[in-house]
Amino acid sequence: RKEVEQDPGPFNVPEGATVAFNCTYSNSASQSFFWYRQDCRKEPKLLMSVYSSGNEDGRFTAQLNRASQYISLLIRDSKLSDSATYLCVVRDVGFNKFYFGSGTKLNVKP
Amino acid sequence: DVKVTQSSRYLVKRTGEKVFLECVQDMDHENMFWYRQDPGLGLRLIYFSYDVKMKEKGDIPEGYSVSREKKERFSLILESASTNQTSMYLCASSPSVAGNQPQHFGDGTRLSIL
Repeated sequence: RKEVEQDPGPFNVPEGATVAFNCTYSNSASQSFFWYRQDCRKEPKLLMSVYSSGNEDGRFTAQLNRASQYISLLIRDSKLSDSATYLCVVRDVGFNKFYFGSGTKLNVKP
Repeated sequence: DVKVTQSSRYLVKRTGEKVFLECVQDMDHENMFWYRQDPGLGLRLIYFSYDVKMKEKGDIPEGYSVSREKKERFSLILESASTNQTSMYLCASSPSVAGNQPQHFGDGTRLSIL
């Protein structure tokens, strides 16, 4: 079983739509959670950390559900520039290792 | 801002060559990582280091070695390059403290082995 699992997509949505991605993780002792964005042929870049109480950054909202061991990312009012692959990342209890999901591809269409 | 710098964006080498990929970070991070990323396979951890001269194998260490002589620098070595090592290589760093401390990535090196 993979440490972190994501739906690979692609999610094809029109501009202005709201879209949500989920990600599940297997280690209940995991400490920290993140969403990264990766554009084609580029490096992953941190989009946002995910806090226990949930957090928002502009059009992006992240949620953590420890009981069910999943995190989510909600994007409101999608822009063409949001088209990318979104990676779910979990940091282990020892702090030294990070586990990456395989990514969810988002295509925002005009 | 954290800066992770990889020595080359693109590199072409021949089968059997010894290849060095260099990575430098400027944030005094304890942890440094080397990944490779291939289509359909996601990021796979090759090696990581949590301190100077310390290293641990990741998921796919075969055919690779690493060196960390100074805290800011982490080198990946392909001992005898093979065509199946053609890939995008990504270096990352992170602090070792608790809390929501993410990894920061370099721009990546696209390595082609001919």
